[in-house]
Amino acid sequence: EAGVTQSPRYAVLQEGQAVSFWCDPISGHDTLYWYQQPRDQGPQLLVYFRDEAVIDNSQLPSDRFSAVRPKGTNSTLKIQSAKQGDTATYLCASSFGQINSGNTLYFGEGSRLIVV
Amino acid sequence: GDSVTQTEGLVTLTKGLPVMLNCTYQTTYSPFLFWYVQHLNEAPKLLLKSSTDNKRTEHQGFYATLHKSSSSFHLQKSSVQLSDSALYFCALSERASGSWQLIFGSGTQLTVMP
Repeated sequence: EAGVTQSPRYAVLQEGQAVSFWCDPISGHDTLYWYQQPRDQGPQLLVYFRDEAVIDNSQLPSDRFSAVRPKGTNSTLKIQSAKQGDTATYLCASSFGQINSGNTLYFGEGSRLIVV
Repeated sequence: GDSVTQTEGLVTLTKGLPVMLNCTYQTTYSPFLFWYVQHLNEAPKLLLKSSTDNKRTEHQGFYATLHKSSSSFHLQKSSVQLSDSALYFCALSERASGSWQLIFGSGTQLTVMP
């Protein structure tokens, strides 16, 4: 079974540039999450979807970050006008059903962003 | 709101010694706790999970027991190996904004020396 796939693996930007990260979840997983993981810190939830609907985007810096999952499968996270503080690894994860039932969250290897 | 606390940022041990990584949590709901392990340049992977009070759960030589009385879910192993060197995260399922999310502690970097 294929895991969660993310691309690109690495991106280096100058401040003010834009970048898009793409995620392909495990087939059949209805729930997709985007996390931001600064260096030496735990992952912090940005946004998550159930199918194509946004369930919670309250932690997404809405002025520069956006995320979509138009067909309820793949997802794109876009950062516009990047800042040095956005330097982090962006992790995509997927699950089948809600995590409060103990369903496992499967992570991709992440997209490492450096903003200089 | 809910929170997860991991007190050790860095733990360095010699191969063959026992280890305990601390995890405490705060929640108003019935807790579901997880341990994830992240090796260098790899995806975080589930190691253990539990929602049952006072029941030990084990996987790959690691074990943990959820103690609701002390709000703890410490990760232990009796004899660490070089391959155990990794970043370990404790996580809690949290109800927020009408839905369930997974919140993570800050992580503990375990380094095992020969």
